[in-house]
Amino acid sequence: DSGVTQTPKHLITATGQRVTLRCSPRSGDLSVYWYQQSLDQGLQFLIQYYNGEERAKGNILERFSAQQFPDLHSELNLSSLELGDSALYFCASSGQGSMNTEAFFGQGTRLTVV
Amino acid sequence: GENVEQHPSTLSVQEGDSAVIKCTYSDSASNYFPWYKQELGKGPQLIIDIRSNVGEKKDQRIAVTLNKTAKHFSLHITETQPEDSAVYFCAAPKGSGYALNFGKGTSLLVTP
Repeated sequence: DSGVTQTPKHLITATGQRVTLRCSPRSGDLSVYWYQQSLDQGLQFLIQYYNGEERAKGNILERFSAQQFPDLHSELNLSSLELGDSALYFCASSGQGSMNTEAFFGQGTRLTVV
Repeated sequence: GENVEQHPSTLSVQEGDSAVIKCTYSDSASNYFPWYKQELGKGPQLIIDIRSNVGEKKDQRIAVTLNKTAKHFSLHITETQPEDSAVYFCAAPKGSGYALNFGKGTSLLVTP
């Protein structure tokens, strides 16, 4: 158990809909990272938050957004969903402001868009 | 560029044999190189990492080597066991170092 909790584990929704994925980082970790994993693209970095502030952006679509709350949990919002958004979404956390140290991944949320 | 190339994409070995996975990176400023193992239905888990000030690091049956001049690093697993079967990912920091770029992964199968 990595200590990073993601909910829900599975999500099935229709095209055009909006969903929210939730992540609770390890106790004490200030950084949260969101990654998308698909068969053809591998693990792609989406966005990072550090202590409530957005710190870095990767290949995140404009239809996607995220935030980190005062209790340090984070949510990833995906809207106007398309079939191609079907993927595993992982959250990771680390104690420092970068992944230049051990980062712990959650078990992921499997999103299926039908 | 911040690409991380990983080879091979699949690897099948017999139990007890060694397995080697190789990665190359493009950013010469990269200074941290972790390896993650992902089992079916789970998230990636860090198994070993190396920083640019050393050339090799070992932890029991796994070792990582780094060649900064050639910009490549490798994972070596000796005396493989069936429970080593998983997908392995190498990674290197993205330009700013805030997050990691991952290789496409190597699916390792260890047959008894």
